[in-house]
Amino acid sequence: GIQVEQSPPDLILQEGANSTLRCNFSDSVNNLQWFHQNPWGQLINLFYIPSGTKQNGRLSATTVATERYSLLYISSSQTTDSGVYFCAVARSRGSQGNLIFGKGTKLSVKP
Amino acid sequence: EADIYQTPRYLVIGTGKKITLECSQTMGHDKMYWYQQDPGMELHLIHYSYGVNSTEKGDLSSESTVSRIRTEHFPLTLESARPSHTSQYLCASSEPPRLAGAYNEQFFGPGTRLTVL
Repeated sequence: GIQVEQSPPDLILQEGANSTLRCNFSDSVNNLQWFHQNPWGQLINLFYIPSGTKQNGRLSATTVATERYSLLYISSSQTTDSGVYFCAVARSRGSQGNLIFGKGTKLSVKP
Repeated sequence: EADIYQTPRYLVIGTGKKITLECSQTMGHDKMYWYQQDPGMELHLIHYSYGVNSTEKGDLSSESTVSRIRTEHFPLTLESARPSHTSQYLCASSEPPRLAGAYNEQFFGPGTRLTVL
């Protein structure tokens, strides 16, 4: 099956710092989503981005489908950004649109 | 407001009990999913459904069962809970693709954290 690798696994930032999270995948995809899981376990949709670039406030994401990676940028980080960030993909062929998740990047933002 | 609801949010029960985790959505979506997540780990798909009377097994084998009698409702049942079933269970839904090979965004409910003693 498709492999989804996220890096780094853990990240500690000082409030106000910028960061880049990476997601590599091993096959062609027709869906890629970034999620933030808050301390209560809820998955918050950040981006639906099978290709191209999107921005939402302090967050932006870029997916280069031909090179099989996606990047999530967090600027001017805040303590509320803490949590786990997941990348999830659906393979273009034979996946029925079902998502495969990476292991996540655990982000801690210190005040 | 369109949303996905899961009840209960937290459940602590004894071994051998039968439980049903509820999931309902007012998004108008046809496709629904159940994922299982152990603490600190990634999510794994255990069941999905394309619509009424459709149920499919996901990538991770599970002793749970699901049913889809109404479009908006997708409950998950464990006939006899065991400590190995302790986990978080998340329900999701998405619109069917308008084009062949295109997949739409999935939206998740708040999850049910299950502990079996």
